[in-house]
Amino acid sequence: TQLLEQSPQFLSIQEGENLTVYCNSSSVFSSLQWYRQEPGEGPVLLVTVVTGGEVKKLKRLTFQFGDARKDSSLHITAAQPGDTGLYLCAGVWEYGNKLVFGAGTILRVKS
Amino acid sequence: GAGVSQTPSNKVTEKGKYVELRCDPISGHTALYWYRQSLGQGPEFLIYFQGTGAADDSGLPNDRFFAVRPEGSVSTLKIQRTERGDSAVYLCASSPGLALGDEQFFGPGTRLTVL
Repeated sequence: TQLLEQSPQFLSIQEGENLTVYCNSSSVFSSLQWYRQEPGEGPVLLVTVVTGGEVKKLKRLTFQFGDARKDSSLHITAAQPGDTGLYLCAGVWEYGNKLVFGAGTILRVKS
Repeated sequence: GAGVSQTPSNKVTEKGKYVELRCDPISGHTALYWYRQSLGQGPEFLIYFQGTGAADDSGLPNDRFFAVRPEGSVSTLKIQRTERGDSAVYLCASSPGLALGDEQFFGPGTRLTVL
């Protein structure tokens, strides 16, 4: 049973388009994180959301945490080829801070 | 400052062999995590250390897997009698501590291929 479901699994878009990636959980975590991973590298943290309803912005990226703290979304405005990569959401267990990852969304932005 | 480093970057072995994967965390980080990432999947938690002790090894798939961190810094993940299903990228991460919000910094991983 996957604790975190991400959709879509794969997204291929043209430069300048907008996109949204979703992360839905069957559990409530202490916080939820979004990571970006490039081939041959480990995941890099983009943002942590903690409070239900929270919205965080990181340049062209907007992250939302659902009111019930069980779902989250990542919206990218005017995507660029440099945004290409694997986007992972992860729930953080309060004890030990161990992470539970979704399967990821592969994003490809074509120029 | 150096990030988390992992060696080797690639390891090819034969079914039934023993392998060791090494992780050098960021200096001063007391918490160290091991994850396994299979093709097309997100990382899966294996074990984490606080200092020298394994605080939670609930993610280790079976007793062929073992990890140590004898001096509270470098960690080694050991896999006995490797199986083809063990093929994956093994990621190590370290964080300053276990406080909520302490960021985990990931290494580049070791790609293990069991033939």
